[in-house]
Amino acid sequence: EVQLLESGGGLVQPGGSLRLSCAASGFTFSTYAMSWVRQAPGRGLEWVSAIASGSSTYYSDSVKGRFTISRDNSKNTLYLQMNSVRVEDTAIYYCAKSASGGSYYHFDYWGQGTPVTVSS
Amino acid sequence: DIQMTQSPSSLSASVGDRVTITCRASQGISNYLAWFQQKPGTAPKSLIYAASSLQSGVPSKFSGTGSGTDFTLTISNLQPEDFATYYCQQYNRYPYTFGQGTKLEIK
Repeated sequence: EVQLLESGGGLVQPGGSLRLSCAASGFTFSTYAMSWVRQAPGRGLEWVSAIASGSSTYYSDSVKGRFTISRDNSKNTLYLQMNSVRVEDTAIYYCAKSASGGSYYHFDYWGQGTPVTVSS
Repeated sequence: DIQMTQSPSSLSASVGDRVTITCRASQGISNYLAWFQQKPGTAPKSLIYAASSLQSGVPSKFSGTGSGTDFTLTISNLQPEDFATYYCQQYNRYPYTFGQGTKLEIK
């Protein structure tokens, strides 16, 4: 059974940093692309970043230069390093598994999300 | 960026009804279109990919059509558990983008 378990969310001050993790199980993690998707309170879904199985990375303009996606295939874990956070980064952050290792594949599984609140 | 526009934004229907939600892309995306269901306080659930292919385990009451710029999600024989918010998403190119969502409510 595919499981994605996010952690690392919490309260952070504007300008601060936070690292989110997504522990994966039930599939061969190294062979699949992964993404982060967020949802601000009361709002819709927003794709944030993706990493292919070969570790190519992609970012939305809203986080480019501030967030870094990475993966540790030995630990079956996806990360999102969030630096210089802003109030508008407040959201629930979901990790999502792609159906293949490359780009341009649909998401087939989602984690339960971890909340991030940026506030002073 | 490719903009995804869903209509309607909200929809009231009764148990047993059949409803259709539309999604329009600002440029052609072939069939790189997915649909998700989200209930309050829970993660999105994948329903359909490649515009019309049903995700494993999703009942056949959900169906999708379309290609290029215009897509539809149809849900037949609505049951209480189907009342939720539905999102379309294009994965034809980065940045992936979602529609604004359609909230399906019980009439």
